[in-house]
Amino acid sequence: GAGVSQSPSNKVTEKGKDVELRCDPISGHTALYWYRQSLGQGLEFLIYFQGNSAPDKSGLPSDRFSAERTGGSVSTLTIQRTQQEDSAVYLCASSFRGRAIETQYFGPGTRLLVL
Amino acid sequence: AQRVTQPEKLLSVFKGAPVELKCNYSYSGSPELFWYVQYSRQRLQLLLRHISRESIKGFTADLNKGETSFHLKKPFAQEEDSAMYYCALSDTGFQKLVFGTGTRLLVSP
Repeated sequence: GAGVSQSPSNKVTEKGKDVELRCDPISGHTALYWYRQSLGQGLEFLIYFQGNSAPDKSGLPSDRFSAERTGGSVSTLTIQRTQQEDSAVYLCASSFRGRAIETQYFGPGTRLLVL
Repeated sequence: AQRVTQPEKLLSVFKGAPVELKCNYSYSGSPELFWYVQYSRQRLQLLLRHISRESIKGFTADLNKGETSFHLKKPFAQEEDSAMYYCALSDTGFQKLVFGTGTRLLVSP
């Protein structure tokens, strides 16, 4: 079956504009994660959705970042009033039930460049 | 706080040489430890996890709780092993992964 997909693959925007990044998890996976991969910083957790539970937003770096997951499937990460330091690769992952021992399956990422 | 440290940004070896990618963690509980790999122009994928005690593509990793380490080893490196390797941990109570900064392995012919 299809893996995790993300769109767009690349996004160039101007400082101050809002952007939306989309993630389609693997069908049947109840857990969905967003990470950010910045140059030299490794991967940084942003937010986690599990079923109908309240999301774990502890990794969001500021209130300009938000995410939602509709119908337990597709997720959208929104960055408002983008800043240059938001430039990074944004990765989405999903897992079957969100247990710690489970494999997380990653999408190809969205490369965001804020000019 | 949970933390994963990969001290080497780049590890360069010749084909056939042994490889050890270092990973140390700090965590007070009993974490789950993983190695993820990203080959050129491919997405990040799981290589192995400590709970499975498996060997994947000739790689093994042993969890040493005394030294809080989870080093990745392979006795004979191959050119196709060249990739970015990330060590990660997951708290049994929290499903998010905490990643190290990664080590780029370059295997030369």
